Amino acid sequence: AQSVAQPEDQVNVAEGNPLTVKCTYSVSGNPYLFWYVQYPNRGLQFLLKYITGDNLVKGSYGFEAEFNKSQTSFHLKKPSALVSDSALYFCAVRDGNRDDKIIFGKGTRLHILP
Amino acid sequence: SAVISQKPSRDICQRGTSLTIQCQVDSQVTMMFWYRQQPGQSLTLIATANQGSEATYESGFVIDKFPISRPNLTFSTLTVSNMSPEDSSIYLCSVGTGAGSYNEQFFGPGTRLTVL
Repeated sequence: AQSVAQPEDQVNVAEGNPLTVKCTYSVSGNPYLFWYVQYPNRGLQFLLKYITGDNLVKGSYGFEAEFNKSQTSFHLKKPSALVSDSALYFCAVRDGNRDDKIIFGKGTRLHILP
Repeated sequence: SAVISQKPSRDICQRGTSLTIQCQVDSQVTMMFWYRQQPGQSLTLIATANQGSEATYESGFVIDKFPISRPNLTFSTLTVSNMSPEDSSIYLCSVGTGAGSYNEQFFGPGTRLTVL
């Protein structure tokens, strides 16, 4: 069965510093990986996805994520954090060989400190 | 992408009553999903709503409690029946775009339900 883990409930970063939100996954087939962001009182917004190709994928709002097959990780990164990046971030995975449902991690709350 | 709207955006309901949540999409989509997000928790898939057939429910969710309709390719409803305070949650409608499993899902703004 597929699963996804976000080991940090909360991450605090000073504005202007680089940020990383961690995600590891487990699937039996090829992983399709996604990041979503949820702002207060809003639905989830799609940020980026990895399907195949370059391990570094770029997405919305200056975010990027690096796929690492050997470490089964898909960490979300941004070179310089903004206060407006403060939100709840979800990593998600789907088993590409099974056309199965997307499984979401428990979420990581990102606080950018001014 | 798809633009998704949900009604109502929030509601406060009494124990034992039912609430129907509507989800409208601005384009025809094959796959529609209903999720529950309890306070401070991740998303839990309730069911997949298929046009022209019965919804497919995940473990722990049953049709009697969460009946779903999918009358066409742009609309679905989720009913939360015989509500209890444990049903207080955010309910999210989501759609899949395209036929491939590599496609991301898009989400509506959610319906915040409080049961007293």
